[in-house]
Amino acid sequence: AQSVTQLDSQVPVFEEAPVELRCNYSSSVSVYLFWYVQYPNQGLQLLLKYLSGSTLVKGINGFEAEFNKSQTSFHLRKPSVHISDTAEYFCAVSAPGGGNKLTFGTGTQLKVEL
Amino acid sequence: DTGVSQNPRHKITKRGQNVTFRCDPISEHNRLYWYRQTLGQGPEFLTYFQNEAQLEKSRLLSDRFSAERPKGSFSTLEIQRTEQGDSAMYLCASSLAIAADYGYTFGSGTRLTVV
Repeated sequence: AQSVTQLDSQVPVFEEAPVELRCNYSSSVSVYLFWYVQYPNQGLQLLLKYLSGSTLVKGINGFEAEFNKSQTSFHLRKPSVHISDTAEYFCAVSAPGGGNKLTFGTGTQLKVEL
Repeated sequence: DTGVSQNPRHKITKRGQNVTFRCDPISEHNRLYWYRQTLGQGPEFLTYFQNEAQLEKSRLLSDRFSAERPKGSFSTLEIQRTEQGDSAMYLCASSLAIAADYGYTFGSGTRLTVV
């Protein structure tokens, strides 16, 4: 079984500042890793995913994440945030061959302030 | 491609009543998933279908919950004898069953409130 820990429930940041949202996972097998964003009263939108290859993954809206196997982490970063980035961000894992089902963390609320 | 469609968007029901939600996936997607998201939590896997076959059900899915996907197209999730603890957002997602493609598309969800 896999699990995901998002230690920060809320992250306030000023507009144009950099941000890092932390994600750690636990698994006895290799995993695929994902970040999703959820705007109020909406479904989830995929930001980026790590399946294999380069450990630095670039996604939509200027976000990127780095897979660190030794630290079992997959932190999400953006060098300069915008007000429109205010949303809930979820980290998720999936085990190969597991029907592609996802195990999510509890989410991090990113609040961008002027 | 109109994305994944879920209906209704909101449902308020009295405890003990039955409710049914519908999900229309992206037409070429052969996998369909149901997740439940409670306030302040991430989505939790409930069940998934490949075509019309229900391949896995979470132990979260009690006997009061049943899901179907007739003919491998739309899916329905029914909750019988609803309880207040069933209040949540129910999310549907679809994807292609290709090992290299983990591109889920989520619907906007059905928010259930049991009073």
